[in-house]
Amino acid sequence: KAGVTQTPRYLIKTRGQQVTLSCSPISGHRSVSWYQQTPGQGLQFLFEYFSETQRNKGNFPGRFSGRQFSNSRSEMNVSTLELGDSALYLCASSSDSFRNTIYFGEGSWLTVV
Amino acid sequence: QQQVKQSPQSLIVQKGGISIINCAYENTAFDYFPWYQQFPGKGPALLIAIRPDVSEKKEGRFTISFNKSAKQFSLHIMDSQPGDSATYFCAARGIQGAQKLVFGQGTRLTINP
Repeated sequence: KAGVTQTPRYLIKTRGQQVTLSCSPISGHRSVSWYQQTPGQGLQFLFEYFSETQRNKGNFPGRFSGRQFSNSRSEMNVSTLELGDSALYLCASSSDSFRNTIYFGEGSWLTVV
Repeated sequence: QQQVKQSPQSLIVQKGGISIINCAYENTAFDYFPWYQQFPGKGPALLIAIRPDVSEKKEGRFTISFNKSAKQFSLHIMDSQPGDSATYFCAARGIQGAQKLVFGQGTRLTINP
């Protein structure tokens, strides 16, 4: 069974640009969440989706948005990039039966220059 | 109230020794406390988890001790091995069934051979 797949793995963007990151959850998982990981702030929750509906949201500005498709795949978008948005963005998924077991992908490394 | 405080930031243990990482929380609504292990370039992987109605949980060389009254929990790694060298994160969940986790700042563990 394939794990959580995130694309792209690495990307470099310029300040002011926008970026879209993609996540394919483990097959059969309908819950998907996103986290930002930085050396200074650690792992911080961005948002969570279940059946195409945002269920929870973290304390991030409106420049950070996400969505989930009917096949449970998810995307997150960051608009008007700032240098401080440079981070590892992690996607996670869990099944309905075992909601406590949250599996993370390997992340997308975003560098803003 | 949403914070989880983790210590120490870094830890060096000799092979065969016991590694101990501690976490403290404030929010009594937290209902699930997982520990994650992260290797460089990889996403966090669930190691072991505990609910607040249990004082201890053991899985192989890994044990969680939970003190509900003190609002503290800790990870013990027995017979630590060089392959255990990684960053460890404690976390807590405040919404039952959700993927929203509050993470500690992480502990970089090094096991010397």
